[in-house]
Amino acid sequence: EVQLLESGGGLVQPGGSLRLSCAASGFTFKTNGMSWVRQAPGKGLEWVSTISATGAVTYYADSMKGRFIISRDNSKNTLFVQMNSLRAEDTAIYYCAKLQSKAFDIWGQGTMVTVSS
Amino acid sequence: QSALNQPASVSGSPGQSITISCTGTSSDIGTYNLVSWYQQHPGKAPKLIISDVNKRPSGVSNRFSGSKSGNTASLTISGLQAEDEADYYCCSYGGSDTFVSFGGGTKLTVL
Repeated sequence: EVQLLESGGGLVQPGGSLRLSCAASGFTFKTNGMSWVRQAPGKGLEWVSTISATGAVTYYADSMKGRFIISRDNSKNTLFVQMNSLRAEDTAIYYCAKLQSKAFDIWGQGTMVTVSS
Repeated sequence: QSALNQPASVSGSPGQSITISCTGTSSDIGTYNLVSWYQQHPGKAPKLIISDVNKRPSGVSNRFSGSKSGNTASLTISGLQAEDEADYYCCSYGGSDTFVSFGGGTKLTVL
């Protein structure tokens, strides 16, 4: 069964950092681009970042550039995002998603990140 | 403000057809045939229902169809069923600088 399982969410103070992980199974992780997409409470979907299959190429939404770093460990079938200088507006459910062409064909269940003092 | 514009809500009766529009620009929808649509039920993760403008993934009902004209993409759901009540999001590739953008989402109510 194809599966993505996020972890690492929680409560963090403004200005703090958090690292999310996404464990992949059921498909050949190392041959697929991967992404993070987030959804603030009661709001729509927002693309966060994408990394190529090898990890050589990364993309970020403007509001995340310089603060978030996406990475992957193909030997462990795991995707990461390091989130720094967190703000209240970063509060959201963070989903990892498998990329097929430029569509997100497999999604995890999400992990909640709350930025609050 | 989302890069792609969708109506906030649409509604229809069981058995009817509805269409959700998604308006972008010549830099995204107008240039690339890389529009996707997602269905999201409350408390659940999004699900891909259309990719590459009009391709249905395996297992997705053929009641869902996609199209594009100029800078506007559309999702049509025919033979509405109660289970179709959900939020729907469009998404388009916009080149290597933008990568992808989502629409603001459309809430479908089945009357």
